[in-house]
Amino acid sequence: DAEITQSPRHKITETGRQVTLACHQTWNHNNMFWYRQDLGHGLRLIHYSYGVQDTNKGEVSDGYSVSRSNTEDLPLTLESAASSQTSVYFCASSPNRDFWNTGELFFGEGSRLTVL
Amino acid sequence: KQEVTQIPAALSVPEGENLVLNCSFTDSAIYNLQWFRQDPGKGLTSLLLIQSSQREQTSGRLNASLDKSSGRSTLYIAASQPGDSATYLCAVNYGQNFVFGPGTRLSVLP
Repeated sequence: DAEITQSPRHKITETGRQVTLACHQTWNHNNMFWYRQDLGHGLRLIHYSYGVQDTNKGEVSDGYSVSRSNTEDLPLTLESAASSQTSVYFCASSPNRDFWNTGELFFGEGSRLTVL
Repeated sequence: KQEVTQIPAALSVPEGENLVLNCSFTDSAIYNLQWFRQDPGKGLTSLLLIQSSQREQTSGRLNASLDKSSGRSTLYIAASQPGDSATYLCAVNYGQNFVFGPGTRLSVLP
């Protein structure tokens, strides 16, 4: 079955280190998204991509970067991890550019990142 | 600022009860509203999508209503079961981006 997978599922790192969270989907969806989920805040959009070589900043993009070299993958990089970036990170994908109209948004199982 | 709140933050009910989860949003100029379910350690799964022109949507034991003018949506779960235990999030779409609520954590006790 087609799916969306995130790795690692759990990671502990130290302040100042570079961290990359992987997201891989096998649906051939053009649209991919990264969110972070913090207690009391709901999910907030970090970055998104509508296709290869396309990347866009979301609501909370400071300290994060993404690259899209192929359709299947959208890795999220924390250039210099900070304690404020301790969170659960979710990757999502959609087959439609107007996912917001169709409701077709499929989520991975999340990556829990702890920055000490 | 567009904000979405959900009350209560947590809810515990005995099996078989009918229950209502609430979602409120500050900006009524929405395209649609979506309810998601999140199981512990898992991602979000879409339950219901209500377009701004609709008043309600139903799927099985779930019924979601929307009152745009008052900035409110409710998710009604009939005859709750232990398998309904999860966190329920609403997400309001203002155009190409969802604003998510913090969720209501539901426990249905056998």
